[in-house]
Amino acid sequence: DQQVKQNSPSLSVQEGRISILNCDYTNSMFDYFLWYKKYPAEGPTFLISISSIKDKNEDGRFTVFLNKSAKHLSLHIVPSQPGDSAVYFCAASVDNYGQNFVFGPGTRLSVLP
Amino acid sequence: DVKVTQSSRYLVKRTGEKVFLECVQDMDHENMFWYRQDPGLGLRLIYFSYDVKMKEKGDIPEGYSVSREKKERFSLILESASTNQTSMYLCASTLRSASYNEQFFGPGTRLTVL
Repeated sequence: DQQVKQNSPSLSVQEGRISILNCDYTNSMFDYFLWYKKYPAEGPTFLISISSIKDKNEDGRFTVFLNKSAKHLSLHIVPSQPGDSAVYFCAASVDNYGQNFVFGPGTRLSVLP
Repeated sequence: DVKVTQSSRYLVKRTGEKVFLECVQDMDHENMFWYRQDPGLGLRLIYFSYDVKMKEKGDIPEGYSVSREKKERFSLILESASTNQTSMYLCASTLRSASYNEQFFGPGTRLTVL
């Protein structure tokens, strides 16, 4: 039973448009969320995070929105670039000191030129 | 620049062999993790360690063991490799602190068990 779900295995977007990647979670105790990006043959790299005390966090072209009542978060990429093509993992944590995260299955984003 | 390295990028082993996957980090991180990544399943935690000599089971520890003799090194051991252990293995590390910190990942080891 997956605690972190990414229901879209893949997403294709035109260059310059907005990419929206979604993530749902079941454990209401999760209080910190991260997005990682992974290119083929490389390890995941941290992209952006959000604490449960916020509902939005922005970093350049990347914005994460958190809706606690719906147990849903989303990652917006505006404008999308071909270099954004990768697998995106949503991760959640309830562990204060271990930084132990539960990862979703990932969404493969393809940005078409 | 922070770095997590893994001993091999690609590994091919036979069923029944003992397999060692090594991970080294140069960031003086207390916490280290081993995951496997499979299509449609994301990253699943195998084992983690909060300190030297310490280890904790993750979500899928069966068929695996770990060793943490030095702070910078965390080894994953497949005692008797099986074909269902064919996967991408990712090591990660992070600081232990009162605030959340992201995990830093190595490049991964793609293991094929024949």
